[in-house]
Amino acid sequence: DVKVTQSSRYLVKRTGEKVFLECVQDMDHENMFWYRQDPGLGLRLIYFSYDVKMKEKGDIPEGYSVSREKKERFSLILESASTNQTSMYLCASHPPGRTGELFFGEGSRLTVL
Amino acid sequence: GNSVTQMEGPVTLSEEAFLTINCTYTATGYPSLFWYVQYPGEGLQLLLKATKADDKGSNKGFEATYRKETTSFHLEKGSVQVSDSAVYFCALRAPNAGKSTFGDGTTLTVKP
Repeated sequence: DVKVTQSSRYLVKRTGEKVFLECVQDMDHENMFWYRQDPGLGLRLIYFSYDVKMKEKGDIPEGYSVSREKKERFSLILESASTNQTSMYLCASHPPGRTGELFFGEGSRLTVL
Repeated sequence: GNSVTQMEGPVTLSEEAFLTINCTYTATGYPSLFWYVQYPGEGLQLLLKATKADDKGSNKGFEATYRKETTSFHLEKGSVQVSDSAVYFCALRAPNAGKSTFGDGTTLTVKP
């Protein structure tokens, strides 16, 4: 059974803390993505990566960074968490080409106090 | 640029009613089109897809046909169940575009 696994389902952090959200996929996909999902705003792309050690900014990269040291792992980093980063974070991956669907993790719900 | 417009929600139906959720798109070239579903407390999962014009995707009683002439990919189901209550997202991926473009999502509630 193919899988995208996000390390934490629920996190509570304080303003100013550094936060790591980990994502691992077992499908050998080159393409990996981080989205955030907020009520009324749909899915917004934060960062994506086409290969190891490569990253591209999405639509809302401010306040975030990413790391892709291994093909199967894509980490989202909040250098200094703020309350407006309270959200649901979704990791996803897909194979090369335009026809393969995205495979999503179950999501990480982050609350910043 | 690429964009997806889907029917605003929320949508509330009685069990066994007919469902249509409209989706239209703007894209360069010939994109692939997708419907994803998100059940409460979960991530998104693929419901169905179509990769070329006139293709029909189907799964779990849901269907959608890739209509290039109207740039649409409407989702339909003949008889909804309470277990279909979820958020539905229409999405596309254009040729040579690594990232997908999503609609805003439509929340469906089915009442017994």
